[in-house]
Amino acid sequence: NAGVTQTPKFQVLKTGQSMTLQCAQDMNHNSMYWYRQDPGMGLRLIYYSASEGTTDKGEVPNGYNVSRLNKREFSLRLESAAPSQTSVYFCASRWFQGDYEQYFGPGTRLTVT
Amino acid sequence: KNEVEQSPQNLTAQEGEFITINCSYSVGISALHWLQQHPGGGIVSLFMLSSGKKKHGRLIATINIQEKHSSLHITASHPRDSAVYICAVMDSNYQLIWGAGTKLIIKP
Repeated sequence: NAGVTQTPKFQVLKTGQSMTLQCAQDMNHNSMYWYRQDPGMGLRLIYYSASEGTTDKGEVPNGYNVSRLNKREFSLRLESAAPSQTSVYFCASRWFQGDYEQYFGPGTRLTVT
Repeated sequence: KNEVEQSPQNLTAQEGEFITINCSYSVGISALHWLQQHPGGGIVSLFMLSSGKKKHGRLIATINIQEKHSSLHITASHPRDSAVYICAVMDSNYQLIWGAGTKLIIKP
């Protein structure tokens, strides 16, 4: 099992460009998450999908959109990138919304110039 | 004030020392997680606990629900334990609230 995979691992964008971060998990998990991690701060939840067919905003959703394409895949889209979106992005999944461990992807390091 | 506070923020110790990292929280929780983030960036779940104590190898996690406090201990620390250790609590909506992490460096 690959676990949680993310692509790309690194990306540099110019302000105003758009891109989609891809995430897939092969553990048959129902819930998937997108976080961003900034220096000196804890992970912050951008969006999550409690189950296939549902998505909800997290703590910092502005400037992002998500798509739960199927049970395996959960993508994060930046429509018009801004320097404030420079961060490391982590995708995670778990069995259900509840007291279950989360499994993380390796992260995507995004720089917006 | 952050809902999840970790201390210390940074910790440097010699190989073999007993390490304690603390986590205090101010919200009602259903569970508390300890995770490890390696220098390369990967995040791994170490423990999830809602009461008492759990042990895995040289790692021990404890939680006191009444005092809203948890500790992560590392016995016989080793340079490969060098990482950022993150505490996260699960609130009543099953969302994780994250601490800022404790950066641990173990010197040989």
